[in-house]
Amino acid sequence: EAQVTQNPRYLITVTGKKLTVTCSQNMNHEYMSWYRQDPGLGLRQIYYSMNVEVTDKGDVPEGYKVSRKEKRNFPLILESPSPNQTSLYFCASSLRWTGVDGYTFGSGTRLTVV
Amino acid sequence: GNSVTQMEGPVTLSEEAFLTINCTYTATGYPSLFWYVQYPGEGLQLLLKATKADDKGSNKGFEATYRKETTSFHLEKGSVQVSDSAVYFCALSDLEGGSEKLVFGKGMKLTVNP
Repeated sequence: EAQVTQNPRYLITVTGKKLTVTCSQNMNHEYMSWYRQDPGLGLRQIYYSMNVEVTDKGDVPEGYKVSRKEKRNFPLILESPSPNQTSLYFCASSLRWTGVDGYTFGSGTRLTVV
Repeated sequence: GNSVTQMEGPVTLSEEAFLTINCTYTATGYPSLFWYVQYPGEGLQLLLKATKADDKGSNKGFEATYRKETTSFHLEKGSVQVSDSAVYFCALSDLEGGSEKLVFGKGMKLTVNP
């Protein structure tokens, strides 16, 4: 089944403890992206990647890192999480960025930082 | 920059009622337009899309027409069902140089009662 898989689905952590949210897609998509969803703010892009070894900042990159060493994986790294990073996170992918295909989304990761 | 404005809810309807969710956009160039749906506890799913002016996207009884003259992409369904209860997001593809992403509205929560 074609899908984007995120792990974990739920995570509670403490301020400052490094964590990684994994994202993997099995569709050979070139483009991948991370969004966060917050009440009243909608979805905002954190980082994106046009292909392997090519990443760029989105609208809200502060406090996050990403890497794209393989086409299928695009992990999101929070080196020193803070409570304002409590949010619902989505990974998404697209065959390539042409602007017409839309995204396939993962099921989301609900992160709570205390 | 490019942006999407959609009706804010929440909205509650009775089964078989007519649904309209307004969406207007501001964009340079000619973006593609999308409607996504998010069911409780799940990621966003592409509902329909339109890639050029006057195109009509349709899926599962939902329709939306790309109106360039009014910069709108309103979502309609003639008879909603309880299973349509979800959050609906309007989005556009941002084609400005150096910005490869979908831009989302804030979402509208729909509840359909039997």
